Amino acid sequence: SYELTQPSSVSVSPGQTARITCSGDVLAKKYARWLQQKPGQAPVVVIYKDIERPSGIPERFSGSTSGTTVTLTISGAQVEDAADYYCYSATDNHLVFGGGTKLTVL
Amino acid sequence: QLQLQESGPGLVKPSETLYLTCTVSGGSISNSDYYWGWIRQPPGKGLEWIGNIYDSGSTYYNPSLKSRVTISVDASKNQFSLRLSSVTAADTAVYHCARVVVVGATLDFWGQGTLVTVSS
Repeated sequence: SYELTQPSSVSVSPGQTARITCSGDVLAKKYARWLQQKPGQAPVVVIYKDIERPSGIPERFSGSTSGTTVTLTISGAQVEDAADYYCYSATDNHLVFGGGTKLTVL
Repeated sequence: QLQLQESGPGLVKPSETLYLTCTVSGGSISNSDYYWGWIRQPPGKGLEWIGNIYDSGSTYYNPSLKSRVTISVDASKNQFSLRLSSVTAADTAVYHCARVVVVGATLDFWGQGTLVTVSS
């Protein structure tokens, strides 16, 4: 089965670097993407193909990968970055989501 | 700008069938560069993939829901639909439709989502 594991929560102070990990065997062969979801809103892609950032996403968002773990890094996190973050991957025409990480920036 | 809008009943009785439609505006649903998907999110919980439909009509479903799910497309109306049978309280969720880029599987546009409650 394909499973992606994320920490349930991460907390940082404004200006610090936040790192959110996502682990799963499928990530050794398939790309990861990261979604940001704020309360009451639809998710937004912040990283795709492991490390690519869509236009309009601030440069402080970056992605990295090592083996079966991918990491979303927010350098100099801001209060407005507080949200739920989900990794997901695609394999065999199926999508699989991680459980989500609640990022607190206080 | 592409927009997706979910529509359908907000309340469904247990054991009945849930029907939702996603209307796509600002772009054609008949574009082989994309496919279309349904994702749901139970209150206070994470995202769950339900299934996808391709321009060719091919469908792929979450194995845990496969026996109860049907996704179809009506290109003439620029819509695609979700049918989920034999619902229970566990199917209560916000249901989102989304566009997926074929190359890279990026969920690049989402509907705002619609809450469906399963209750008698």
